[in-house]
Amino acid sequence: SQKIEQNSEALNIQEGKTATLTCNYTNYSPAYLQWYRQDPGRGPVFLLLIRENEKEKRKERLKVTFDTTLKQSLFHITASQPADSATYLCALSLEGGGNKLTFGTGTQLKVEL
Amino acid sequence: ETGVTQTPRHLVMGMTNKKSLKCEQHLGHNAMYWYKQSAKKPLELMFVYSLEERVENNSVPSRFSPECPNSSHLFLHLHTLQPEDSALYLCASSQEGWNLLYNEQFFGPGTRLTVL
Repeated sequence: SQKIEQNSEALNIQEGKTATLTCNYTNYSPAYLQWYRQDPGRGPVFLLLIRENEKEKRKERLKVTFDTTLKQSLFHITASQPADSATYLCALSLEGGGNKLTFGTGTQLKVEL
Repeated sequence: ETGVTQTPRHLVMGMTNKKSLKCEQHLGHNAMYWYKQSAKKPLELMFVYSLEERVENNSVPSRFSPECPNSSHLFLHLHTLQPEDSALYLCASSQEGWNLLYNEQFFGPGTRLTVL
């Protein structure tokens, strides 16, 4: 069956360091992968999308990589700040699946002073 | 109002009650979604409406009944719910099309539902 795995344990890092979050998937051939941020009591907010034929995408301090051989995406936040503390969700779309997204459970990131 | 709005933000109901959740999107999108988010579990897609026609229901129990009267409004009618239905219910919208570069979904703030 199709499965998406994200680090289930919270990730604590020091301010200024680079945070790296992992999203692994099995039995998928996604057309693209998305990353969302979710704050407590709020809906997810879209951050980045990367397509199956792209290796890397950047947006300001954010970087996403997509390795379809390893079936893995890495999400990096450079020069992290306490305001980056949130839960980060990866979501995959299946080719031909339209806008149907399948989400991972998310990884909670805490950036400490 | 901008983006995606949901009402009510919080709802407490008994198992015999009937209530409805409302979602409205002000983005001109043509697809809307209902998701359920329970603690420690991934977002579960419940229903998808594209151009006001339901295209996906993912085997959701019949005690959840969606309604999409137009492309801007989406309802989730609830009746005889169970305590395990307590969760955060999220609405989202997106723009579908063959040549779009992005298929991001825009989420509302959610309705926190508690079933007693």
